[in-house]
Amino acid sequence: SQQGEEDPQALSIQEGENATMNCSYKTSINNLQWYRQNSGRGLVHLILIRSNEREKHSGRLRVTLDTSKKSSSLLITASRAADTASYFCATEAGGFKTIFGAGTRLFVKA
Amino acid sequence: ETGVTQTPRHLVMGMTNKKSLKCEQHLGHNAMYWYKQSAKKPLELMFVYNFKEQTENNSVPSRFSPECPNSSHLFLHLHTLQPEDSALYLCASSQPGGTALYEQYFGPGTRLTVT
Repeated sequence: SQQGEEDPQALSIQEGENATMNCSYKTSINNLQWYRQNSGRGLVHLILIRSNEREKHSGRLRVTLDTSKKSSSLLITASRAADTASYFCATEAGGFKTIFGAGTRLFVKA
Repeated sequence: ETGVTQTPRHLVMGMTNKKSLKCEQHLGHNAMYWYKQSAKKPLELMFVYNFKEQTENNSVPSRFSPECPNSSHLFLHLHTLQPEDSALYLCASSQPGGTALYEQYFGPGTRLTVT
């Protein structure tokens, strides 16, 4: 079955540093999304990249997509303590079914 | 606030109890979702409703019974649950079509503990 898998599972950095998270998936997709989840709360949509796009920016976020390698990366620049959260990639391949990965837990130390 | 509310936020129930989770969205969306999030496991899609019709049932046990009376409300009826059903239950909604295709808006979740 199709599933996004994030790497690393956990990441700890200092405030001001950049954080990079990777996601791999198994089957063809129409788009890929990144979400953030603060501890014990709901997920918040960050960015959506379509299969015909290679890079997308939103504020301090930069997402890349390589469909030949079935992978995506999320870069958070100049990280802040408030960026501490879990980050999930999600893939959609038709219909209303969205598959989420297990997530990367990011810790940003002040 | 995402425009999706869930009640209750916390629920403790015995294995023989019957309870219901409620989700309401104020975004004018037509699709609503139930997810289960257990510790150290990926988010699991349970059910999807589009225009009040169920479009996905991801092999969920019958002790979970969804209900969608209209596009703004979604319920999850629970009965004779097992301890392994303890988890965070998340509701989401989306508006198909356009650039926000399948972008989902999540509620804060209901933390369920089955004793």
